[in-house]
Amino acid sequence: DTGVSQNPRHKITKRGQNVTFRCDPISEHNRLYWYRQTLGQGPEFLTYFQNEAQLEKSRLLSDRFSAERPKGSFSTLEIQRTEQGDSAMYLCASSDTAGGSYNEQFFGPGTRLTVL
Amino acid sequence: GIQVEQSPPDLILQEGANSTLRCNFSDSVNNLQWFHQNPWGQLINLFYIPSGTKQNGRLSATTVATERYSLLYISSSQTTDSGVYFCAVEFTSGTYKYIFGTGTRLKVLA
Repeated sequence: DTGVSQNPRHKITKRGQNVTFRCDPISEHNRLYWYRQTLGQGPEFLTYFQNEAQLEKSRLLSDRFSAERPKGSFSTLEIQRTEQGDSAMYLCASSDTAGGSYNEQFFGPGTRLTVL
Repeated sequence: GIQVEQSPPDLILQEGANSTLRCNFSDSVNNLQWFHQNPWGQLINLFYIPSGTKQNGRLSATTVATERYSLLYISSSQTTDSGVYFCAVEFTSGTYKYIFGTGTRLKVLA
């Protein structure tokens, strides 16, 4: 078990560019979550998948954001036409709803996005 | 509305001291977790504790779901305990809601 991994770890981009982040969950975890964390705040829920189905999206997930989990394994989060307000740490987590600790989430190291 | 509040917001301790962090939540929960966020931003799982009491070394946690609070105890604190502690709650009612608390920033002095 190698834990949740995220790539890239850091991304610097110019306003208006598109960016894509990848998350690889713990193998066989059926749920995958995306969160955003800004400086001094706790993580805020963006969206989650159960297998390949996207089951919920937060109001924070504007139409410039899209997430996919095409085969129920890794997931990508794309931000189109980035804005300076998108600068944040993007965190991914996974969980196993069939396990003894129902829905205990394990987090990756995050991708820090800076929009210039 | 649904809320998760933590106290105190900031805490400074001398190495070796004990502390209690509190998490209050506003509604019934499916699960509750405590995390430690290190200076590099990594969220480290401390406890999965929707109810009851658990202990792991110098740390222990208690959740009283009927009274809507959870406590995290840190004994004999060490400088490596510094960082931000979050509780995170999944509420039972309505649409899936997984909400992090406001956090407690802990600094342990040598």
